[in-house]
Amino acid sequence: GAVVSQHPSWVICKSGTSVKIECRSLDFQATTMFWYRQFPKQSLMLMATSNEGSKATYEQGVEKDKFLINHASLTLSTLTVTSAHPEDSSFYICSARGLAGHYEQYFGPGTRLTVT
Amino acid sequence: DAKTTQPTSMDCAEGRAANLPCNHSTISGNEYVYWYRQIHSQGPQYIIHGLKNNETNEMASLIITEDRKSSTLILPHATLRDTAVYYCIVRAGIGGGTYKYIFGTGTRLKVLA
Repeated sequence: GAVVSQHPSWVICKSGTSVKIECRSLDFQATTMFWYRQFPKQSLMLMATSNEGSKATYEQGVEKDKFLINHASLTLSTLTVTSAHPEDSSFYICSARGLAGHYEQYFGPGTRLTVT
Repeated sequence: DAKTTQPTSMDCAEGRAANLPCNHSTISGNEYVYWYRQIHSQGPQYIIHGLKNNETNEMASLIITEDRKSSTLILPHATLRDTAVYYCIVRAGIGGGTYKYIFGTGTRLKVLA
C-alpha cells in the first residue's frame, strides 16, 4: 500500500517552454502533497506544500508564479514549471501524506527534468 | 525549525550491524524523528520514526536518547542492497495540523562485501 507515482519519469524540454509533472497517490487519498527539488549530490529541498482544494504554500525563495502547483483532487497534484530555463534542470520529487493521524510521507519515484 | 546533523559517509561490512547517528539538539518536545533512505535516482523510502521511545520494525531499530537530542538508526544485518543515502528528518509542524519534513544532508552508507 501507500504507492505514489509520478509522470513522466524524465522529460527534456527546450528553454522557454512549460512542463507539467503529475503526482498521484494510487491506493490512498492524499490530504497533503509536497513537492521537492533535488540537485545532483545534494539533499531534497522542499518547494511547496499543497492541500487538496486550497492554494499551495511555497517555501521561502521559491517563485510561485514559476512553479505552479495544483492539487485538484485527493489523488492528484501537478507541478508546472513555466518558462523553463537550464537552471531549472533538476530531479523533482513529490510526496503524499494520507490519513489523518498518520504523518509519514510516501514519496514518488521522481521526475528528472532537463532543460536545453 | 529543528535541524539534523549526520556524518557525511560511513562504510559497513556486509552482515554486520550498521549504526547511523543523528544529532537533533534543537528538537522540540512534540517533534518526531523520521528516517528515510534514498537509493540513487529514486524517491526516498520510509524506514522508521519515533518520538521518545525506542522503536523497531522489520527494517530497522531506532534508538532515541532520553534527552531526545540525538538518535541512532540500526540496520541489524546490513546487505549490499542497503547501500544508500540515509536521511534523519525532524517533522516540523507548520500550523493547521500540517507538518513538513526538513531534510539534512544525510549519510551515504556503503555496505562492503
